[in-house]
Amino acid sequence: DIQMTQSPSSLSASVGDRVTITCRASQAIRNDLGWFQQKPGEAPKRLIYSASSLQSGVPSRFSGSGSGTEFTLTISSLQPEDFATYYCLQHNTYPYTFGQGTKVEIK
Amino acid sequence: EVQLLESGGGLVQPGGSLRLSCAASGFKFSTYVMSWVRQAPGKGLEWVSVINDSGGRTNYADSVKGRFTISRDNSKNTLFLQMNSLRAEDSAVYYCNQGGWLASWGQGTLVTVSS
Repeated sequence: DIQMTQSPSSLSASVGDRVTITCRASQAIRNDLGWFQQKPGEAPKRLIYSASSLQSGVPSRFSGSGSGTEFTLTISSLQPEDFATYYCLQHNTYPYTFGQGTKVEIK
Repeated sequence: EVQLLESGGGLVQPGGSLRLSCAASGFKFSTYVMSWVRQAPGKGLEWVSVINDSGGRTNYADSVKGRFTISRDNSKNTLFLQMNSLRAEDSAVYYCNQGGWLASWGQGTLVTVSS
């Protein structure tokens, strides 16, 4: 199975900060990666697909990059509503696998 | 608007069975791959299973292979997950998803496996 190593597991940041989350795949997955946001008590929501394509309706402060084994999710200017847990998902090879999650907390 | 409504969760004893359903609306169900993802209490997301548009191809996580069966009824726009030989570690919120890339999510249904 492909392992997805996500880092950091948590971070503290202030409103307005630039935040970067990384996912590393144990083998190359082209650009077959998505990023998801989950707020407490809610279902996850997809932000990014195909590593860098923004889901319709998602603010442009979210962006994704990478290919092969290294991927990043960037929030250019953190907003109060962005405090949540973020997950990456590889959909290149079954079984699909998620990263462990990154909890973004208020500093 | 895509809507996915899961049902069928509840409390079941270890070794028991449960069948989850997901009623889909707002899109042409019969043309989409569909998936299940679960989340144990306080834990991360775990991909569970996927089925192609016709129902002829399926894949499963190693943790549920041989115990869970995904299926669909395209005439009723409904996705299913038959769960047998349930274990405590299967306790989770189960989410129904549109697409193999998880474009849209239902609100989930809670399954608790406990004696």
